[in-house]
Amino acid sequence: QQQVKQSPQSLIVQKGGISIINCAYENTAFDYFPWYQQFPGKGPALLIAIRPDVSEKKEGRFTISFNKSAKQFSLHIMDSQPGDSATYFCAASDTGTASKLTFGTGTRLQVTL
Amino acid sequence: DVKVTQSSRYLVKRTGEKVFLECVQDMDHENMFWYRQDPGLGLRLIYFSYDVKMKEKGDIPEGYSVSREKKERFSLILESASTNQTSMYLCASSFNPGEVLKEKLFFGSGTQLSVL
Repeated sequence: QQQVKQSPQSLIVQKGGISIINCAYENTAFDYFPWYQQFPGKGPALLIAIRPDVSEKKEGRFTISFNKSAKQFSLHIMDSQPGDSATYFCAASDTGTASKLTFGTGTRLQVTL
Repeated sequence: DVKVTQSSRYLVKRTGEKVFLECVQDMDHENMFWYRQDPGLGLRLIYFSYDVKMKEKGDIPEGYSVSREKKERFSLILESASTNQTSMYLCASSFNPGEVLKEKLFFGSGTQLSVL
């Protein structure tokens, strides 16, 4: 079963707009929630991560919003740029580390001019 | 920069063949992982290793085995390749810097395996 559900599957946003990708999880033991970014022909790379003791984390144009009671977290990309066009994966772990991550199904983001 | 190198970018094999996928990392990382990536399914963990000679099953280990004889090298073995093992295989490594939010997986560029 899919322990981390990600939506939407694909997303088209205009340059300068806000991209929002959502993830929901079932396992209440998850305690580490990273987002990975993957460009074509490359492996995923860590973008930003959060622990459940905070509700929001911001790094530049990228923000994770976390709702522990709803078991949901989301990635917001402000002022989206064509260079942000990539596939984004949310993930979760119950080990408190990056080990044994359970990944979402991925969102292909396209930022148009 | 950390480099995780996978031996082949593309590989075509026949059903029933024994297949070896090799992965080498150059940063002395303790942890190494094998994932497969399929459209609509995301990344799924096959096997991982926290130390030399050590291995643990991930979420989908059936049909696979691994070998870690040296710290920098982690091999994925398909004992008898089947068509449903056609996939993108990603190797990753990590170390624990003592602060979880600084820990991350470093991925290779992947091996696209086609089993005919």
